[in-house]
Amino acid sequence: AQSVTQLGSHVSVSEGALVLLRCNYSSSVPPYLFWYVQYPNQGLQLLLKYTSAATLVKGINGFEAEFKKSETSFHLTKPSAHMSDAAEYFCAVSDPDADTGRRALTFGSGTRLQVQP
Amino acid sequence: DTGVSQDPRHKITKRGQNVTFRCDPISEHNRLYWYRQTLGQGPEFLTYFQNEAQLEKSRLLSDRFSAERPKGSFSTLEIQRTEQGDSAMYLCASSLALREKLFFGSGTQLSVL
Repeated sequence: AQSVTQLGSHVSVSEGALVLLRCNYSSSVPPYLFWYVQYPNQGLQLLLKYTSAATLVKGINGFEAEFKKSETSFHLTKPSAHMSDAAEYFCAVSDPDADTGRRALTFGSGTRLQVQP
Repeated sequence: DTGVSQDPRHKITKRGQNVTFRCDPISEHNRLYWYRQTLGQGPEFLTYFQNEAQLEKSRLLSDRFSAERPKGSFSTLEIQRTEQGDSAMYLCASSLALREKLFFGSGTQLSVL
C-alpha cells in the first residue's frame, strides 16, 4: 500500500534562510510524487511533480525537490525563504495500489511552514 | 480555466440531518475526486469518478455517503444522518488524466452540531 510520511508538523525559519521540508514515501512500484501547497482559505495548489524523468524537479516559486530512491525520500527545498511562503505543505504519492486498486493521490499529514521576519 | 468551484463554502447542520454538497470541475476535465480534510491532517481520499463512472471508493466512505456525477459534469456528495465525526472540510478536485495535476476547489466546511 502506498503511504507518505512528513517529518515535522511545524517548521519555522527566518526570512532568507533555507527551507527544508521532509517527505518519505512507501510504494510497491515506482511512484509519482507531488508537493502541494495550501495557503489560508485557499484550495491546494501543485508546487511540483516527479514522474521519473529527472530526479531533481523544479517547481513554482523557487521550490525544488529531489527524488532519492535509496532513501525513499522526496524532500522539498527552497534556498531563501520569503514571508509569502508561509503556508501548509503536503507531500503526496500516486501509484497503482495492488491492495486497493487506488490510483488517486495519498497525502501526507502536512507541514506548516512559518517564516519569521 | 475558471477553476473548480464548490458550493456551499460553509454548512452548519444538526446531527441526524442530511446534507448535499456540489462540485463543478474544470469543464474539460473528465476525472473528479472527493477528499476529506480534518484539522491538522492531509486530505483523505473518498471517491473518484472518470466521466460519470464512479471507479473507486475509499473504505472511509460509509453507506451514509453517496456521490454522483450525472452526465460526467458536476458532482454531488450527500451525507445522510450526519454525525459529529463528519465535521470536516470536503474538497473536490479534477484532472485531465490519471496521475496528472489535480486542481482543487476551496472546499466546503461542514460543521455538525
